Amino acid sequence: GDSVTQMEGPVTLSEEAFLTINCTYTATGYPSLFWYVQYPGEGLQLLLKATKADDKGSNKGFEATYRKETTSFHLEKGSVQVSDSAVYFCALSEVMDTGRRALTFGSGTRLQVQP
Amino acid sequence: EPEVTQTPSHQVTQMGQEVILRCVPISNHLYFYWYRQILGQKVEFLVSFYNNEISEKSEIFDDQFSVERPDGSNFTLKIRSTKLEDSAMYFCASSAGEGNQPQHFGDGTRLSIL
Repeated sequence: GDSVTQMEGPVTLSEEAFLTINCTYTATGYPSLFWYVQYPGEGLQLLLKATKADDKGSNKGFEATYRKETTSFHLEKGSVQVSDSAVYFCALSEVMDTGRRALTFGSGTRLQVQP
Repeated sequence: EPEVTQTPSHQVTQMGQEVILRCVPISNHLYFYWYRQILGQKVEFLVSFYNNEISEKSEIFDDQFSVERPDGSNFTLKIRSTKLEDSAMYFCASSAGEGNQPQHFGDGTRLSIL
């Protein structure tokens, strides 16, 4: 079945540091890939997405590129802020013959940015 | 921006009692979902709902769970006889259409079973 593997956290960075959170996936077909962010005490918010190979999703300075050859969708940001402190979830969605569209999530990576 | 709303934000229930979690999806969305997140663990899919019927469910979604869209705006998750291990954050989500439309999540209901 489908699965998503993320690097374990927490990731602790100083403000303005470069961020990479690794994500790799296993899927039977051609999934869409997503990053969701969960701020403390809040729900999941869609951060960015990519629907096909070589697509780059971007939002709020975050980027991730859909790499089919390495089955990866790593999240990057050039300069993090304290306000980026949250838990980041990589997820995939695959439409199959059964009509499956449910999201499969990684375990989440907590990011802590220190001033 | 339209959003998914969930009520209540926190529900405390005695073990064995029934509980209903409520969600109002985004109004023009057609696909509805429930997920749960046990404290410290990953978000897990429970069930998806389209065209007034369940389209997919996970092995977690056993006979004690049911979903309903009673009035065209609300989408509910019922747990008939709650167990301690049902304690979790429950998220409702909706998406606009087929294919790879992103799912939009509510803020969740924290369910605590005593």
